[in-house]
Amino acid sequence: RKEVEQDPGPFNVPEGATVAFNCTYSNSASQSFFWYRQDCRKEPKLLMSVYSSGNEDGRFTAQLNRASQYISLLIRDSKLSDSATYLCVVNGPAYYGGSQGNLIFGKGTKLSVKP
Amino acid sequence: DTAVSQTPKYLVTQMGNDKSIKCEQNLGHDTMYWYKQDSKKFLKIMFSYNNKELIINETVPNRFSPKSPDKAHLNLHINSLELGDSAVYFCASSPAGTGREKLFFGSGTQLSVL
Repeated sequence: RKEVEQDPGPFNVPEGATVAFNCTYSNSASQSFFWYRQDCRKEPKLLMSVYSSGNEDGRFTAQLNRASQYISLLIRDSKLSDSATYLCVVNGPAYYGGSQGNLIFGKGTKLSVKP
Repeated sequence: DTAVSQTPKYLVTQMGNDKSIKCEQNLGHDTMYWYKQDSKKFLKIMFSYNNKELIINETVPNRFSPKSPDKAHLNLHINSLELGDSAVYFCASSPAGTGREKLFFGSGTQLSVL
């Protein structure tokens, strides 16, 4: 099983649609979870952290299910500017007693929002 | 006032050459990283330095040698370049403490080995 698995997509949706991305991770000891966004030919940028209780940031909602080792991202009212690749990210094995940013990235799910 | 800057943006070179990529961050972060994104878009950590000390060294050929002259700089030197080294290399940094896993990436260096 891969460390972080995502549906690669692409997801092609019309503006205004609601779209959900799923992600599973293999390391049950992981403690930190994130969604990053990567535009075409650009660097990844942190979109949001994912907390155990679930969290929302505007049109974006992230959920975590530790028992199932599953993370989700919901985007409501999609905008053209949401077109990007969404990377599910989980912290990896600790080094020298601390994870020190050893992040494991999924391959990403590509989203294309059409007018 | 770019937060994490890396140069060059594009690097085209012949097999067997030696090349370097430079990275600097002005965020005052303690930890810096090199990540590699291959043709399949898979982003994978290579190295991590904390206050100039190597703390993560993934399974990377020893042709790749990072150098951190101070905590604001982490350069990557690659010897005897091979075709398979072609990829986008991202430098990143993160703060200490609770934000240490929130990475700030540079814009990437696209390396093409011919």
